[in-house]
Amino acid sequence: QSALTQPASVSGSPGQSITISCTGTTSDVGTYNLVSWYQQHPGKAPKLIIYEVNKRPSGISNRFSGSKSGNTASLTISGLQAEDEADYYCCSCAGSATLPYWVFGGGTKLTVL
Amino acid sequence: QAQLMQSGAEMKKPGASVKVSCKASRYTFTNYALQWVRQAPGQRLEWMGWINTDNGNTKYSQKFQGRVTITRDTSASTVYMELSSLRSEDTAIYYCARRQGLDGFDPWGQGTLVTVSS
Repeated sequence: QSALTQPASVSGSPGQSITISCTGTTSDVGTYNLVSWYQQHPGKAPKLIIYEVNKRPSGISNRFSGSKSGNTASLTISGLQAEDEADYYCCSCAGSATLPYWVFGGGTKLTVL
Repeated sequence: QAQLMQSGAEMKKPGASVKVSCKASRYTFTNYALQWVRQAPGQRLEWMGWINTDNGNTKYSQKFQGRVTITRDTSASTVYMELSSLRSEDTAIYYCARRQGLDGFDPWGQGTLVTVSS
């Protein structure tokens, strides 16, 4: 049950696009289309922004999008805004389908320059 | 809108146990699984386990197996997470979160700070 691998930090200027990768294994990201992404501002609880690889919850901007290829999932944020500066975590379902477990990534700090 | 309300901050000595509660409201409790996630100061999110609130089945992270117990009281729409044999490394904010269907944790509780110190 190892953590998924994310870059420690990414940065971009307002208006630009950035992509955060999330690499797992054939036991998690590679098997399930159940990858979610969370945004966390300092001192706040995490907030769901993407689920089932590429679905957005109601109220989440379409500037956030998700995708997956093989064992790697990705989160893209387009049209960067200052309020996007936060930590981002990926999460994947893993293990058996009858009683699965979940695993988070190490987190990526996004800096908006 | 669904809501999860957690119990207050706890301070414990090494070797003790802590039990954190998570009360659900504004939705049908037994229709959604509940997860527990913790975050040590300055560290990543760490999945601890989940409970099927309908039948009480649980699954725990290997890291916490044997030390964590998740239970539920359907009459009170409340889930509990008990962590035993506490050590300083267990100092963290503990969150409960509802799993919406197959995937996605939403909403989250406000978090409960557990401090382990002698």
